[in-house]
Amino acid sequence: VQLVESGGGLVQPGKSLKLSCSASGFTFSSYGMHWIRQAPGKGLDWVAYISSSSGTVYADAVKGRFTISRDNAKNTLYLQLNSLKSEDTAIYYCARARGYPYYYVMDAWGQGASVTVSS
Amino acid sequence: DIQMTQSPASLSASLGETVSIECLASEDIYNNLAWYQQKPGKSPQLLIYYASSLQDGVPSRFSGSGSGTQYSLKINSLESEDAATYFCLQDSEYPPTFGGGTKLELK
Repeated sequence: VQLVESGGGLVQPGKSLKLSCSASGFTFSSYGMHWIRQAPGKGLDWVAYISSSSGTVYADAVKGRFTISRDNAKNTLYLQLNSLKSEDTAIYYCARARGYPYYYVMDAWGQGASVTVSS
Repeated sequence: DIQMTQSPASLSASLGETVSIECLASEDIYNNLAWYQQKPGKSPQLLIYYASSLQDGVPSRFSGSGSGTQYSLKINSLESEDAATYFCLQDSEYPPTFGGGTKLELK
């Protein structure tokens, strides 16, 4: 199992960014996927989940601003980040959901993409 | 949201010792508790799920226990590679929430 994030960077407050997560080594279309973030020196915060059938759920802190999506033909997970705030500064990890019935357990993680929101 | 209180925040132990890390949930999470290990600059790795089930490939010196609101991770015979931060995660209900982490230092 390999997950590789890309698309991170420095962005101004109020702007947008799109993260990608390329998956390999497993049947991507069969698994739910998560985004989790970790602010510098802090703990882990769950961000969003997308099921294998593309149902989505979000943390309250990002609801209405972030959008999780997937392209099973490209084995790729996405996170669109809009209206970014300084408090969104973090390393963003994509992770695979372990599967039934452990949808909210993440059993494989990418290396992370750094997002810095600053003027 | 379910709050996860992890203790201690840090601990120091010697090679070969046994240590325990605790997680207290703000309500019953029915054994829906996972443990992760995160080494500096690396992504988290799943150790334990459903409170006591060992993830494939994880050494048997790691074990989990607990029920209701109280859970623990035990590491037997500490090795140098166990120096890391450990997090618990409740997956009982949306949204999944993590504990604040326990930093384990090897003397």
